[in-house]
Formats: sequence, structure tokens, C-alpha cells
Amino acid sequence: DAGVIQSPRHEVTEMGQEVTLRCKPISGHDYLFWYRQTMMRGLELLIYFNNNVPIDDSGMPEDRFSAKMPNASFSTLKIQPSEPRDSAVYFCASSGVPETQYFGPGTRLLVL
Amino acid sequence: GQQVMQIPQYQHVQEGEDFTTYCNSSTTLSNIQWYKQRPGGHPVFLIQLVKSGEVKKQKRLTFQFGEAKKNSSLHITATQTTDVGTYFCAVKGSQGNLIFGKGTKLSVKP
Repeated sequence: DAGVIQSPRHEVTEMGQEVTLRCKPISGHDYLFWYRQTMMRGLELLIYFNNNVPIDDSGMPEDRFSAKMPNASFSTLKIQPSEPRDSAVYFCASSGVPETQYFGPGTRLLVL
Repeated sequence: GQQVMQIPQYQHVQEGEDFTTYCNSSTTLSNIQWYKQRPGGHPVFLIQLVKSGEVKKQKRLTFQFGEAKKNSSLHITATQTTDVGTYFCAVKGSQGNLIFGKGTKLSVKP
């Protein structure tokens, strides 16, 4: 299995631009999670899906952030418009049963 | 909601010294997981503890789950430079998610 796949691995953009992060979970996993990691705030859960349905999006910082999971093999996290404070590493993780989570390599986002 | 406290936040050791990180919860846990994140990497699952008083070993790593299932520890014997990274504990939240501790960042001086 290729594991969780994320793209792009690195993204540098200018403030105000739209950013789309992509994730392909491990086949057969029912849960998909989006995390954000910064030095100041650590690892934060943004949103997670179960069987493609968003379960808890209380971690999404504001309306500029949105996430979708149109099918079991693909999810996106979109930031529009992006701001410098959004600079972070964004991880996608998936899990089946039991709840062990498998993380992707992350997307390192820098907003100038 | 469910929270887990992890200490210490940082630990600097000389290579060959031992290292321990602790996780504590105010509520009884169904299980606890441990993850390791290397610098520049992503969290990687190490182990899950389920039973009261459980002790599991992975080479130089020893994981313990408290008798009351409210705390856990990860102990590394004779640290090596390959042990550097951040160690997270994680506990089950509601509906399938995990609640991660803040992590303990370990640095090892050769």
C-alpha cells in the first residue's frame, strides 16, 4: 500500500491567493482527518470525515477554510483567501478499525 | 471534552541516557496510543495500550499503561541519536477521532 498521499508537498503563495491541498487516504479506511501543525499551536485537528461525511469541523479556524470529500479516495482542504498566519504544515491522516491513524507526509504551506 | 496532558514539553539528553515522557488524563481511558514524529517528518504510530497495567516493549522503548488507565508513559533506555523527535500520546475522542497531547520533543546530544 502506498500509504496516505498528499499533494503538493510544498506550496508557496501570496496572501489573498486560493490554496488547495489534496489527500488520498489509504484504501478501505473509513475515516479521514485534516490537521494543522505549527510551532506555536502544535498539532490541531481541523476536520474529519467518516464515510465521506464531515463529522466535526469545529477545528476549522474560520470561514476561509473549507474541506470536501467527494468520494472515498479523495479529499481537499481549501483556503480562500490565504493569509500569512495560515503558514503551517497540513497533514492528512486516515484510519479504519481500530482507530490507529496513518499520516501522510504533509504539505508545507508558506503564505507570503 | 477529553484532554490529555503530556510532560515534559522538551527533554535534552546526552546519548546513552534514559528518557521518559508521561501522559495524564483526568478521566479513565479506553486505550492510549503513542506516535513519534521525526524532525521534518510526520507522526508515525508506535503502539496502542488497552489493558490496565499493561507494559509493552519495542527494543529500547517501554510503554506502560497505568493501573487506573488514567496515565501512561514511554521510556527509552540508552537513547541514541536516532531517537530524536517528538513523541505524542493520543487518546480516543468521540466518534472515531483522536485527541493528541502536545508532545515531548526529545533532543539527543552525541
